[in-house]
Amino acid sequence: DGGITQSPKYLFRKEGQNVTLSCEQNLNHDAMYWYRQDPGQGLRLIYYSQIVNDFQKGDIAEGYSVSREKKESFPLTVTSAQKNPTAFYLCASSNQGTRHGYTFGSGTRLTVV
Amino acid sequence: SQQGEEDPQALSIQEGENATMNCSYKTSINNLQWYRQNSGRGLVHLILIRSNEREKHSGRLRVTLDTSKKSSSLLITASRAADTASYFCATGPTGANNLFFGTGTRLTVIP
Repeated sequence: DGGITQSPKYLFRKEGQNVTLSCEQNLNHDAMYWYRQDPGQGLRLIYYSQIVNDFQKGDIAEGYSVSREKKESFPLTVTSAQKNPTAFYLCASSNQGTRHGYTFGSGTRLTVV
Repeated sequence: SQQGEEDPQALSIQEGENATMNCSYKTSINNLQWYRQNSGRGLVHLILIRSNEREKHSGRLRVTLDTSKKSSSLLITASRAADTASYFCATGPTGANNLFFGTGTRLTVIP
């Protein structure tokens, strides 16, 4: 079955550590996106990529980094520069940008301990 | 902000009743989409309405779009307890490469 997989489901980070969240899709979608969701709030765009080896910053890119070496994969690294990383992170993919609906992964909940 | 705003923020109804939630936005758009999110899960795409469409149906869902007022509404008819979730509108602004999501309406359907 085609879909988008995020791992891990739960992640704990110590102060000063970098952590990487995985996002893999087998839908052959060109575009991939990372969103952050805080409790009771909407989604804020961190980074997006429309094509392999290219990505753009979203509204809240500071403290995050991404790579897009393969069409199927769009990992997100939360660096130690991100001062308030505790949140729910959602990865999505789409075909032809915003012309069709996004397919979302099930999310990764990151907690700083 | 280019984000949409949903209204109400929370809605509680009895099973069998209809649920209506509204979305307002600020910019010109190519399309507007509605998503559903169960607690602690990813979002699921429900329906997309293009800027040249005024109404669209999918099962128990009915979406309207008024581009002159920059607003949309989502109607869920004959609600069920399983419809309990948060519902988000997302706009695809003209010239933009990504969607902008609203803050969501939390719907509770009481059995």
